[in-house]
Amino acid sequence: GENVEQHPSTLSVQEGDSAVIKCTYSDSASNYFPWYKQELGKRPQLIIDIRSNVGEKKDQRIAVTLNKTAKHFSLHITETQPEDSAVYFCAASHGQNFVFGPGTRLSVLP
Amino acid sequence: DADVTQTPRNRITKTGKRIMLECSQTKGHDRMYWYRQDPGLGLRLIYYSFDVKDINKGEISDGYSVSRQAQAKFSLSLESAIPNQTALYFCATSDGKVAQHFGDGTRLSIL
Repeated sequence: GENVEQHPSTLSVQEGDSAVIKCTYSDSASNYFPWYKQELGKRPQLIIDIRSNVGEKKDQRIAVTLNKTAKHFSLHITETQPEDSAVYFCAASHGQNFVFGPGTRLSVLP
Repeated sequence: DADVTQTPRNRITKTGKRIMLECSQTKGHDRMYWYRQDPGLGLRLIYYSFDVKDINKGEISDGYSVSRQAQAKFSLSLESAIPNQTALYFCATSDGKVAQHFGDGTRLSIL
C-alpha cells in the first residue's frame, strides 16, 4: 500500500522567511496530493492541493510542487507570518483513500 | 453552514466500557471516514465507507466497529475501551474528487 514520508518533523523560521516541507510517496498510482493545516485544537483544513497532471500550483503565499518521476511533492510558504504557525500534513491519494504523512510542526518566530 | 458534526466533543470513560462516537454531515458527500490522531503519528485510517452499504477496514481497525446508518451518518464504536485507544478522533467526508473535509474531532480519554 501507499506510504507517505514527511520532513522535517519540526521547522522553525523567522517571520518573513520562507518555509519548505517535503513529502515522498511510494505508490506511483497516486494522482492527488492535498496539504492540510491544523492549528492547535482544531480540525485539519485543506490549504492547497495538486493533481498529477500539474507540476506546480500557487495560491498567494503558498505553492506546491510535484515531481512524479521522483515521487515527491513539496509545500512552499513565502513571507511567513506568526499565523502560519501550525502542524502541516501532506497526503497522497489514488481515488480510494488518503494516506497522510506524520506532520510537520512549523513555528514562525517574531 | 454545510459541515461535518461530531458528538461528543470530549469524553472521559473507563476501561471496558462501550463507547459510540457519532458523525453527521450536511455536505451531501457519499464517502465518510474515521481517523485516529496521536501525537507524531499523523492521521491513521480506522474505517471508511463509500456509500450506505459499503464498509471497509482501514489501517488500524482492530478494536473498533462502525455503522453507516444513512448517507449523512457514520458512527464509530469501541466495544470494550482500553487505555491505548485514548486519542483524538476525526470524522471526514469526501465526494471522491477533492480533499476530505474534517469534523472538529472528539477527544477521547480512557482511564
